[in-house]
Amino acid sequence: DSGVTQTPKHLITATGQRVTLRCSPRSGDLSVYWYQQSLDQGLQFLIQYYNGEERAKGNILERFSAQQFPDLHSELNLSSLELGDSALYFCASSVGGQGNQPQHFGDGTRLSIL
Amino acid sequence: DAKTTQPNSMESNEEEPVHLPCNHSTISGTDYIHWYRQLPSQGPEYVIHGLTSNVNNRMASLAIAEDRKSSTLILHRATLRDAAVYYCILRDVITSGSRLTFGEGTQLTVNP
Repeated sequence: DSGVTQTPKHLITATGQRVTLRCSPRSGDLSVYWYQQSLDQGLQFLIQYYNGEERAKGNILERFSAQQFPDLHSELNLSSLELGDSALYFCASSVGGQGNQPQHFGDGTRLSIL
Repeated sequence: DAKTTQPNSMESNEEEPVHLPCNHSTISGTDYIHWYRQLPSQGPEYVIHGLTSNVNNRMASLAIAEDRKSSTLILHRATLRDAAVYYCILRDVITSGSRLTFGEGTQLTVNP
């Protein structure tokens, strides 16, 4: 058990819809990361937050947005969903915002777009 | 980010040591070598990391070549639970911050 909690575990929705994925980091971790894993793209970094502020952006589409709340949990919002957004979405957390601290991953949310 | 090269797959027998290689010939002086693994239906899991010296922890050992152009993750006694995809990742915290850039990894199969 990594201590990172992601909900829901599975999400099935239709094209054009909007969903919110939630992540609770490990106790004491200030940094949250979002990654997407699809069959054709592998594991890709989307975005990082540190103590409520955006720290780094990766291959995140404009239709996607994220935020980190004062209690440090984070939400990833995906809108105008397309079939290609079907993937596993992982959240990870680490103590700090930079450096070599290990990242601890949740078990992911599997998003299926019908 | 500097690139790593790993074999697509490797096989091992239970209770035998496993040596997972990683080549990183373009590694820079500020790149740390990290290893993560991903078990089926789970998120990636941190295994070990190092800069220049060999490292040991409860999960594995990391052997780093003197010129740092290659490294080897060593599982001392493989168990069935070690069957996973193993990712070798270079992290230059100065230029790329904290993000992890995953490659294809090595799929390790452990035979009973």
